[in-house]
Amino acid sequence: QKEVEQDPGPLSVPEGAIVSLNCTYSNSAFQYFMWYRQYSRKGPELLMYTYSSGNKEDGRFTAQVDKSSKYISLFIRDSQPSDSATYLCAMSFTGGGNKLTFGTGTQLKVEL
Amino acid sequence: EAGVVQSPRYKIIEKKQPVAFWCNPISGHNTLYWYRQNLGQGPELLIRYENEEAVDDSQLPKDRFSAERLKGVDSTLKIQPAELGDSAVYLCASSLTDGGYTFGSGTRLTVV
Repeated sequence: QKEVEQDPGPLSVPEGAIVSLNCTYSNSAFQYFMWYRQYSRKGPELLMYTYSSGNKEDGRFTAQVDKSSKYISLFIRDSQPSDSATYLCAMSFTGGGNKLTFGTGTQLKVEL
Repeated sequence: EAGVVQSPRYKIIEKKQPVAFWCNPISGHNTLYWYRQNLGQGPELLIRYENEEAVDDSQLPKDRFSAERLKGVDSTLKIQPAELGDSAVYLCASSLTDGGYTFGSGTRLTVV
C-alpha cells in the first residue's frame, strides 16, 4: 500500500464547475500538505500549502486538511479551461529532510 | 530570475548506453533534489543535496545511478548502463533549507 493514495482520474468537467480533488494518506507523521499543478511537459508548481489541519483559501482554490481522517482535499471554484492539468498532492514532516511524498496525480480537463 | 534549468529536455538512447542529465538550480538555493516521475505516477525522490553533500541517497539505485554536485551549485545525474525501466521524466528541484521547492521542467528519457 502506498503512503499517499490519489484517484488518478481522468476527471472531465464543464467550465464553471466546482472541482473536488482528494488524497488519503497512511503516515500520521505528515504535517505539511501541498497541492502541485503540473501542466503537460512541465515540472510541478506549488499551488497551495497547508500546515496541519484546517482550511486555506487562495482565490478560486481552497485546501482542506483533516488529520483525524488522514484526508486532504483541494476545491477549485469556477473552473476554467486553463485549470486543465494534473494535480498532485504532496506531504512532508519535520525531520523528514524536506522530502516530499507525492500522490499519483489526478488529471483534470475543464471543457468549454 | 531564471528558474531551475535542466538539460537536455528530451533524450532517446538504446539500452545499455550511458546518459547524463544536468541541472542548474536557483541562485542561492543550497538544497538540490533529483526526483524521478514514471508515467502516470507522482515524482519519487532519488537524491537530496545540502550544498555539495549528498544527505539522502537511500532511493538512488547505486549500481547504475550516480550523481554529483560539485561546488554546491550545478548537479549531474548519470545512468550507466541504462535499462528499459529507466524510461521516465527526471526532475530537478531546488530550495532553501526546509523551504518550498521550485522544480525544473524535467528531462524526458526514453530507453529503447
